[in-house]
Amino acid sequence: GAGVSQSPSNKVTEKGKDVELRCDPISGHTALYWYRQSLGQGLEFLIYFQGNSAPDKSGLPSDRFSAERTGGSVSTLTIQRTQQEDSAVYLCASSLALLGYEQYFGPGTRLTVT
Amino acid sequence: AQSVTQLDSQVPVFEEAPVELRCNYSSSVSVYLFWYVQYPNQGLQLLLKYLSGSTLVESINGFEAEFNKSQTSFHLRKPSVHISDTAEYFCAVSDEGSGGSYIPTFGRGTSLIVHP
Repeated sequence: GAGVSQSPSNKVTEKGKDVELRCDPISGHTALYWYRQSLGQGLEFLIYFQGNSAPDKSGLPSDRFSAERTGGSVSTLTIQRTQQEDSAVYLCASSLALLGYEQYFGPGTRLTVT
Repeated sequence: AQSVTQLDSQVPVFEEAPVELRCNYSSSVSVYLFWYVQYPNQGLQLLLKYLSGSTLVESINGFEAEFNKSQTSFHLRKPSVHISDTAEYFCAVSDEGSGGSYIPTFGRGTSLIVHP
């Protein structure tokens, strides 16, 4: 079946512009996660959704970051007024549920802020 | 909060040699443990996981990991590596966390480089 998809695969934007990153999880997966992967930094957890609800937004780096999920499916991560330090690969993952289930990762969106 | 330590950022090894990639986590009553692999220019994929039962878990491509509760470790091993095992390996630990969220915490990753 189809895996987790993300779009765009690459995004180059100018400092100060807003960007929207999209994630399509595996159908039926109730949990969805956003991570940021920077070179040599591993995976930084940003936010997760259980259904359409995001119980804990404390992982978002600043108030310029926001995320939403609709219909228990597609999620968008929005970064307003992008900064150069936002440059990274943004990964989305989904799982059947939260408790101990395997995460399935998308290919990521490489964001470059110039 | 849970923390995961992968002590080695890079592990170079010759083909057919054994390898161990180390992973330690901060103590917790109940944890679920995972190893993910990221091949060059690919996304992360699950290699193996420990949820309960036997403390030794194996993957289909010859890797194994052992859950050691007393040492809070989940080291990954392979007795004989191939060139194709060259990849980034991430250890992840899931515990009850804040509000019972069970969000996995990832280590920084270990780059396994297999030389011919």
